[in-house]
Amino acid sequence: DAGVTQSPTHLIKTRGQQVTLRCSPKSGHDTVSWYQQALGQGPQFIFQYYEEEERQRGNFPDRFSGHQFPNYSSELNVNALLLGDSALYLCASSFAGQETQYFGPGTRLLVL
Amino acid sequence: EDQVTQSPEALRLQEGESSSLNCSYTVSGLRGLFWYRQDPGKGPEFLFTLYSAGEEKEKERLKATLTKKESFLHITAPKPEDSATYLCAVQAGNQFYFGTGTSLTVIP
Repeated sequence: DAGVTQSPTHLIKTRGQQVTLRCSPKSGHDTVSWYQQALGQGPQFIFQYYEEEERQRGNFPDRFSGHQFPNYSSELNVNALLLGDSALYLCASSFAGQETQYFGPGTRLLVL
Repeated sequence: EDQVTQSPEALRLQEGESSSLNCSYTVSGLRGLFWYRQDPGKGPEFLFTLYSAGEEKEKERLKATLTKKESFLHITAPKPEDSATYLCAVQAGNQFYFGTGTSLTVIP
């Protein structure tokens, strides 16, 4: 049973560029959440997708957007990258009605 | 304001020396409290979900408990492989809040 997978594992971008990160949920899960984790900090909730709609959003600017596909996989897009966007981006999946989330290995983004 | 606070920030234990990690929270409408283990550079690994005050769950050397305002993660006779950062998170509605974690080091 494959767990949550994310791609790419590492990414280097420059300020002002745009980036797309991808996530495939755990088999049987239909809900995907995205988190940003800065070094030495806990994960910060970006948003959650369910039935291809953004169901809940954390305190992140509109530069952060997402999408969920019919197969439940998801993308996180970040526009106009800032140095402060450098972080580990985590995807977590769950099954609607069950609160427990399972995390992927993350994508390490470095903005130069 | 909804928030989660973990203490201590860091903890060093001798192998076999039992201790507890604390997670205090202030959220409206708690739907669940979660404990995760995170190794450096990796995604959090799920440990426990607790839903209501008085609930307890155990897994190997770990035991999690929940009251109305805080949760404890008890570690009994820890081993060096238990060294990691332990994260606490709460869910209110469809919003999730994480603490900054406790970095645990177990010395052989």
